[in-house]
This record gives sequence, structure tokens and C-alpha cells, in this order.
Amino acid sequence: DTGVSQDPRHKITKRGQNVTFRCDPISEHNRLYWYRQTLGQGPEFLTYFQNEAQLEKSRLLSDRFSAERPKGSFSTLEIQRTEQGDSAMYLCASSPGRAGRRNSPLHFGNGTRLTVT
Amino acid sequence: AQSVTQLDSQVPVFEEAPVELRCNYSSSVSVYLFWYVQYPNQGLQLLLKYLSGSTLVESINGFEAEFNKSQTSFHLRKPSVHISDTAEYFCAVRFPHGSGNTGKLIFGQGTTLQVKP
Repeated sequence: DTGVSQDPRHKITKRGQNVTFRCDPISEHNRLYWYRQTLGQGPEFLTYFQNEAQLEKSRLLSDRFSAERPKGSFSTLEIQRTEQGDSAMYLCASSPGRAGRRNSPLHFGNGTRLTVT
Repeated sequence: AQSVTQLDSQVPVFEEAPVELRCNYSSSVSVYLFWYVQYPNQGLQLLLKYLSGSTLVESINGFEAEFNKSQTSFHLRKPSVHISDTAEYFCAVRFPHGSGNTGKLIFGQGTTLQVKP
């Protein structure tokens, strides 16, 4: 168990640029979640994947945001035409999905901190 | 709608003193309850969880939480804190996975525990 890995750890970009973040979940975890955390707040749910299928999207996920998990392993989160309000920590989490472990806790990565200037 | 309220945004306490971090939730159905801890510039780490059974749950580092269904609370306590306990603490609820529920966590706003020497 090597943990959930996120890349990059930090990203500084200018307003209007596109950015992409990557998440590698724990091996064999078929459930993957993206969250956004702004300063002084709890994490807010963005989207959920079960294997390669995106099964839930929050209304926070505007049309500038897109997430993929093409082979049911790693996932990417892209933000197009970034705005200063997008500055936040983006967290990825994974959990097992097979029978008997469906309610196992979520394991979080260390996050990608995005700063939009 | 389901929600989680952490009643204190900051809790300052002296080392070796007891502490209680309060958490209340709102839900019309049974939920699972969690406490996560977040150290600066890191992701969230599971501290303890309540899924079923005994209403008092304990972590390996001396924290405990008690599920109170009638008061819809899940307060976190520690009888004697250490400097190293200084961190952000998040209470969260989760619906059992299945029946359309994706198992996502809904977090409170967080409580900053500041342990002073």
C-alpha cells in the first residue's frame, strides 16, 4: 500500500491558463473521489468515479472543469480558463469497492495546491 | 439535505489539558461518522470511525469519540493533549454505499486545535 499519490504538489498559473492534475489511487481501489478545499474550509466533493465511469458530479464542477479516469486506474482533473477563485487545494481520495469492503474509509492524497495569479 | 456542523472554528488549549471538539450532523437516515486530521500542507488522515456497534470509538493515539444518535452528535475528546496534536480536525458523514449512494464524505468546516506549551 503506497498510498494515494497526487502530482504536482504545487501549481502556480496565470488567470486564463489551463491546468491538469493527476491522481494515482491505491492499487486495486476502484473508487476515486476528487475534492476541493479552500483556506479555512472543509473539503467539498467535486466528482466520483467507479472504475472508469464518472457516476456523480457536484454542481461545483462547472463546465470549465473536466475529470477523467480512462482505464479505471489513475485520474486527471483539468481546469480550463482558470480564474482566481479556482485557487484551492485539490484532493484526491480512493477506497476499495469489492464486496465486504464497500464501506471502507477513504484514503486521501496530499493534494495539489493551485494558485491562480 | 445532509450537513455537518463543527461548532468551534478554533480551540486553544494548554499541553496536557483535556479537549473536546464538537460535531453535530443532520440526516434523515443512518450514516457513518468519521474524524479526519490534517497537518499543514498535507492530505487528510483518518483518525477514527463509527460504522456500527459500540457508540464509543477510540484511536491509537488517545483520541475517542462517542456517537449520540438522539443528539446527532459525534464529539471528539482527548484527556491530555500534546503539542504534536496541533492540527486541523474534520468531522464527516457518509451514507452507506449502495442504493444510489456513492459513498462520498460530507465534511464539516473544520476545527483548528492549537496546543500551547
